Amino acid sequence: DGGITQSPKYLFRKEGQNVTLSCEQNLNHDAMYWYRQDPGQGLRLIYYSQIVNDFQKGDIAEGYSVSREKKESFPLTVTSAQKNPTAFYLCASSRTDEQFFGPGTRLTVL
Amino acid sequence: AQSVTQLDSHVSVSEGTPVLLRCNYSSSYSPSLFWYVQHPNKGLQLLLKYTSAATLVKGINGFEAEFKKSETSFHLTKPSAHMSDAAEYFCVVSAPGTGFQKLVFGTGTRLLVSP
Repeated sequence: DGGITQSPKYLFRKEGQNVTLSCEQNLNHDAMYWYRQDPGQGLRLIYYSQIVNDFQKGDIAEGYSVSREKKESFPLTVTSAQKNPTAFYLCASSRTDEQFFGPGTRLTVL
Repeated sequence: AQSVTQLDSHVSVSEGTPVLLRCNYSSSYSPSLFWYVQHPNKGLQLLLKYTSAATLVKGINGFEAEFKKSETSFHLTKPSAHMSDAAEYFCVVSAPGTGFQKLVFGTGTRLLVSP
């Protein structure tokens, strides 16, 4: 069954802690993306990667970091430098003009 | 620069009545346009896409959208709403990027369906 998995589904973090969100895909897609979703807003692009070992900042990259060591995996780290990290995070992948989305991770800072 | 405006933050319909979700776009290029649906606490699912072929695009679950260049619109319609259609809907335009697909999202329209 091909698709994108994200874990965990819910994540709680204390202020000052770094946390890493997992994203895995078995669709054999080259490109992968991380978005942030806040209530009443559309999705905003954090980082994207077109190929292994390469990634680029999106529109709101400050306070986040990523890696792309394998084609299937694109983890996102939310660092303590991100001032307002509570949000719903969505990972996506694409080969052509259609992006496929994972189920999301809801991060809450306590 | 590309942008999309979803004209309604909420739309309420009764089950069995037509659905109209409105979207206007702005694009310097011939755009690709998409509608995605998101059920609560879920990821996004593609409903349909327009990529410069037929202007009337049919999607999944009985939805369709018409690309009108003169009006810069891409409204989403369905003849008869079902309870399971209650969700958030996003109109999206694809911006040309340097070798990747950058999507620009509208702010979403929440569709409420009452019995």
